[in-house]
Amino acid sequence: AQTVTQSQPEMSVQEAETVTLSCTYDTSESDYYLFWYKQPPSRQMILVIRQEAYKQQNATENRFSVNFQKAAKSFSLKISDSQLGDAAMYFCAYRSGRDDKIIFGKGTRLHILP
Amino acid sequence: DTEVTQTPKHLVMGMTNKKSLKCEQHMGHRAMYWYKQKAKKPPELMFVYSYEKLSINESVPSRFSPECPNSSLLNLHLHALQPEDSALYLCASSQITSSGNTIYFGEGSWLTVV
Repeated sequence: AQTVTQSQPEMSVQEAETVTLSCTYDTSESDYYLFWYKQPPSRQMILVIRQEAYKQQNATENRFSVNFQKAAKSFSLKISDSQLGDAAMYFCAYRSGRDDKIIFGKGTRLHILP
Repeated sequence: DTEVTQTPKHLVMGMTNKKSLKCEQHMGHRAMYWYKQKAKKPPELMFVYSYEKLSINESVPSRFSPECPNSSLLNLHLHALQPEDSALYLCASSQITSSGNTIYFGEGSWLTVV
């Protein structure tokens, strides 16, 4: 069975600085997709970024980028120029290419310090 | 437009009540999901509908009854719930499987069972 592990329950970063959130996963599949979702206090899950496992190039979305290390099964999220609005719970998620399930890690709560 | 609409946003019900949560999307997505989320926990998958047919039931108690009247609507019927069922219920949708499509979430329905 696939698992997703986020080893940092909470992190803090100074506004305008850069922070990296860690995620590792375990799977025997070759076809899969990885996501980072953000959940602010309003509780809506918002997609931050996605990565297809077959792509070697790391995904980027404005200030958000990932470091995808397929052999190490690592998928970290880097947030540059942190802003107060980035404060939220961040979930790493895995989706198999075979079915409709998405598996979430336990989340990392990110605090932005003004 | 990547909108999933859930109603009601808040629901308080007694243990003997019958109520329903509703979810709607007009993105042409053919997979729809119900997730349950307790405080400080990741979302837990409850049900998945693919092409309006129940494809995944994660051993959810029968007091939760899903229904998919058409490709745009997903309901969750609630009956004889317990206080421990109080949680945020998230609806989501995506293009059908096998392509790792992103899952889009609604804002959730806060359920309190008294």
